[in-house]
Amino acid sequence: EVQLVESGGGLVKPGGSLRLSCAASGFTFTNAWMTWVRQAPGKGLEWVGRIKSKTDGGTADYAAPVKGRITISRDDSKSTLDLQMNSLRTEDTAIYYCTTDPVGYYGGTVWGQGTLVTVSS
Amino acid sequence: QSVLTQPPSASGTPGQRVTISCSGSSSNIESNAVSWYQQLPGTAPKLLIYNNNQRPSGVPDRFSGSKSGASASLAISGLQSEDEADYYCAAWDDSLNGLFGTGTKVTVL
Repeated sequence: EVQLVESGGGLVKPGGSLRLSCAASGFTFTNAWMTWVRQAPGKGLEWVGRIKSKTDGGTADYAAPVKGRITISRDDSKSTLDLQMNSLRTEDTAIYYCTTDPVGYYGGTVWGQGTLVTVSS
Repeated sequence: QSVLTQPPSASGTPGQRVTISCSGSSSNIESNAVSWYQQLPGTAPKLLIYNNNQRPSGVPDRFSGSKSGASASLAISGLQSEDEADYYCAAWDDSLNGLFGTGTKVTVL
């Protein structure tokens, strides 16, 4: 079964850090460009950042609101995708989804169930 | 930052055709593939259309996509009650940034 499962969400204070993980199964993770998307409560979808496959360079691109505060990494040996978030702000409160490239040619065919990050004092 | 603009809402009665627009620019929709997503309440988004007008297997042919210049559209024909959801367009922007549309809530009257 093709699946993405996020973990690591929770409550964190402003200025704190959090690391989210996404475990992939059922497809060739090594070849996939992976993306994090978030959705603040009652709001729309927001592209956070993506990482290319190693064969395509393995580089990451980030959205302006989070650039410099987040790092996306991947471990192809474990089929996992990580999102390290630092200097968290209240406006980072959202459900975070991992997905295959939702803005690429083939779209985001696989999505996780999401993990909730709440930034509050 | 670039934005993909959608109408906040759209509605129709069962069986009607509803169209949702997505307006962008030369750096995103005009030069890159457009995808469309359906999000039911409390669930993750689901891919409806990729590469402007292609449907993944399993997506009913009631859903169709098109693109012209810097705008794209999603049409739902034969509207059904289970189509009541939020819909988002998405595209890559050449400024090295992914974009989602502002979202459209479809109501079946």
